[in-house]
Amino acid sequence: QVQLVQSGAEVKKPGASLRVSCRTSGAAFTASYMHWVRQAPGQGLEWMGWINPNTGGTNYAQKFQGWVTMTRDTSISTAYMELSRLRSDDTAIYYCAREKESGENALNIWGQGTMVTVSS
Amino acid sequence: QSVLTQPPSASGTPGQRVTISCSGSSSNIGSNIVNWYQQLPGMAPKLLIYSNNQRPSGVPDRFSGSKSGTSASLAISGLQSEDEADYYCAAWDDSLIGVVFGGGTKLTVL
Repeated sequence: QVQLVQSGAEVKKPGASLRVSCRTSGAAFTASYMHWVRQAPGQGLEWMGWINPNTGGTNYAQKFQGWVTMTRDTSISTAYMELSRLRSDDTAIYYCAREKESGENALNIWGQGTMVTVSS
Repeated sequence: QSVLTQPPSASGTPGQRVTISCSGSSSNIGSNIVNWYQQLPGMAPKLLIYSNNQRPSGVPDRFSGSKSGTSASLAISGLQSEDEADYYCAAWDDSLIGVVFGGGTKLTVL
């Protein structure tokens, strides 16, 4: 079955940068868009953007433009999300989520989440 | 403040039918499909309903979705204790050019 495996938990200092990886197994990596969603402690889901693994094209949420970078390495079926200039309110679980091949922004496969703590 | 508005909480007893609403605008729900996600405590979200009213394989038919105008609803019939979770609606927003989520509804099974 299709699985997304994310990198492990991170602790970062304010002002640092973060990179989270998300490896796809069990399906063609380039067949579906990969989205990134975060969830602050006790809060709801926040969409960050997507990357087209086939072309490398991206679409970032307005809030994150200039601040987030999504990339991919097709040779290892892995997507990356980099967030710069971290602040304490970036403390959250970061999820990658694969869109259904039929599209519709329906995220049917999710990674296990990466807990990121930003603290001095 | 979320772009899509959901009630923060809902509750029901086992066997009851519960509905969760999701209100948006012409730039999101009014012109795009709605997806629903279920998030069990401590787990990653799971796609529950896509394209307004379609269930992924494995999702019981107790769960159903509907959309009318700029609002959508998730209905859960025959409520079970394992349905206790957070539920989120989501849609594409043409103005924001991105996916927007509702704030989430915490469902309690009494």
